[in-house]
Amino acid sequence: EIVLTQSPATLSLSPGERATLSCRASQSVGRYLGWYQQKPGQSPRLLICDVSNRAPGIPARFSGSGSGTDFTLTISSLEPEDFAVYYCQHRSNWPPYTFGQGTKLEIK
Amino acid sequence: QVQLVESGGGLVKPGESLRLSCAASGFAFGDYYMTWIRQAPGRGLEWVAHISKTSAAIYYGDSVKGRFSISRDNAKNSLYLQMNSLRVDDTAVYYCVRDTHGYSGYGDFWGQGTLVTVSS
Repeated sequence: EIVLTQSPATLSLSPGERATLSCRASQSVGRYLGWYQQKPGQSPRLLICDVSNRAPGIPARFSGSGSGTDFTLTISSLEPEDFAVYYCQHRSNWPPYTFGQGTKLEIK
Repeated sequence: QVQLVESGGGLVKPGESLRLSCAASGFAFGDYYMTWIRQAPGRGLEWVAHISKTSAAIYYGDSVKGRFSISRDNAKNSLYLQMNSLRVDDTAVYYCVRDTHGYSGYGDFWGQGTLVTVSS
């Protein structure tokens, strides 16, 4: 089973700032890495598929990069609605398609 | 619009069984892979089980393998999760999730979840 490790656990920033979230895989997942956002009391929402492909309706301020074992989700300029928990997930090879433990993005 | 509505959650004792259902609407259910994902209270997401369009391919997470069984009925637009030998650490909200077309493995639509509590 592939283990995904996200860092930092918590990120404190202000609206308008740039956010950089990291996800590291225990072995290569190629480019098969996605990102989700979850707000309190809500189901997760898919943001990005396969490193850099934004899901329909996702604003352009969300972007992803990386390959192999190291990946980054960048939010270029934080809006108030972006403060949430973010999860990475892989879909490499066979299931289980595990998740990272999450990064909480909080308002500073 | 796409809707996924889970049901069947509740309070059970360790060792007991429970069957979750997910009613799908607003899309061609039989054209999509489906997944169950769970989230323990205050914790992260855990991938549970995955089923192909025709049920030919089924996969489970290591923590539920041998105890849980995923199935689907395309004629009824429904997904199921049979959970046996439940343990306290199975306590979680269980989400029914539609796989993204073209990016199988990611979930593009999620239900609101159903809470399963395992406690003596």
